[in-house]
Amino acid sequence: DTGVSQDPRHKITKRGQNVTFRCDPISEHNRLYWYRQTLGQGPEFLTYFQNEAQLEKSRLLSDRFSAERPKGSFSTLEIQRTEQGDSAMYLCASSLPVGSGQYYNEQFFGPGTRLTVL
Amino acid sequence: KQEVTQIPAALSVPEGENLVLNCSFTDSAIYNLQWFRQDPGKGLTSLLLIQSSQREQTSGRLNASLDKSSGRSTLYIAASQPGDSATYLCAVSTGANSKLTFGKGITLSVRP
Repeated sequence: DTGVSQDPRHKITKRGQNVTFRCDPISEHNRLYWYRQTLGQGPEFLTYFQNEAQLEKSRLLSDRFSAERPKGSFSTLEIQRTEQGDSAMYLCASSLPVGSGQYYNEQFFGPGTRLTVL
Repeated sequence: KQEVTQIPAALSVPEGENLVLNCSFTDSAIYNLQWFRQDPGKGLTSLLLIQSSQREQTSGRLNASLDKSSGRSTLYIAASQPGDSATYLCAVSTGANSKLTFGKGITLSVRP
């Protein structure tokens, strides 16, 4: 399967614990996005990488959140001192760069990681 | 700030009906618009992408149109089937490298 993969698919944690999620993009995609989706809402943008560089962060990404993409391949999203309000589906997407033949910046999403904070 | 609206939030139709899902956005300076399908508890599946210079895109029973000047897009589903039951999300990007701004989605139920 050459799609975007995310691990774990589900995570249950207690308030105050740290959690880390992983995203593996489609192999030739150099752009990687993180979104968060709560029940009944559309996904909201969190942050975006081009290769290993983090180019944009949303104001939603408080200082308890950190994302990395150390070698420009997979990415991790860490949440420190989790709160019940962090409970959501965390979605990762990837896309090809403009000019690579995929001009349209079509984003392809992974299955998501569902986080429940008790 | 770009805002995307999808109304109604839910729709129920009998099998075989042709239907139109609406999406509106406040800032017409978009780069592209994507329609996604989301099954319960799952990730998003890209259905169609329309560049800002295009008026429509077709894939099988799906046809998406874009009227950038009026800030509207529609997703037309022909001959709906129970397997089409899902949430349909519309999203716009405002630049070649930029994030997507999503609507809340329309939850479609197709009754056998």
